[in-house]
Amino acid sequence: GQNIDQPTEMTATEGAIVQINCTYQTSGFNGLFWYQQHAGEAPTFLSYNVLDGLEEKGRFSSFLSRSKGYSYLLLKELQMKDSASYLCAVLPNDYKLSFGAGTTVTVRA
Amino acid sequence: KAGVTQTPRYLIKTRGQQVTLSCSPISGHRSVSWYQQTPGQGLQFLFEYFSETQRNKGNFPGRFSGRQFSNSRSEMNVSTLELGDSALYLCASSLQRGPNNEQFFGPGTRLTVL
Repeated sequence: GQNIDQPTEMTATEGAIVQINCTYQTSGFNGLFWYQQHAGEAPTFLSYNVLDGLEEKGRFSSFLSRSKGYSYLLLKELQMKDSASYLCAVLPNDYKLSFGAGTTVTVRA
Repeated sequence: KAGVTQTPRYLIKTRGQQVTLSCSPISGHRSVSWYQQTPGQGLQFLFEYFSETQRNKGNFPGRFSGRQFSNSRSEMNVSTLELGDSALYLCASSLQRGPNNEQFFGPGTRLTVL
């Protein structure tokens, strides 16, 4: 099976930066996704990485190192509305998108 | 344009019953995937449909089945419900198949099995 690990919880202060790490061991690799999910809501797409390096989208950036089986999502200038669960997902060779358990980020004033 | 819609939003069933959940993708989207989300297992892939054909299936028992219609709407069915089937069932649609096609998730159907 696929193995995707990310921390369970993280807490940070409004205006700060938080980095959510994700490590994976999968049968093949066709890209890594990050999703945001607010409590009681559907996941929403944040980023997709298939090549090594950093992708920046406003306050959110995602990094990938395929050789290390590692990615991180960087959230800058944290706002209260960023309190949510962040899901790392990998698309392996069987094309069955595999999710990590999610990291709950709590932003405090 | 309208997002992915799922009906019903909430459902309560008893063990042994069967249930059908419905998903209407975003207009023009041809790929529909289903996921089960539980606190213990997280989000798990159930199936993917494209052009009315099941293209991929996750590691779930045969009690879980689905189909897609010519208008891309999809249904999933769970027969002989078990307590462990209580979960949020999410449907996601994308324009085409393939990894760089962003998936848009619906609000989900929360199924409770008593």
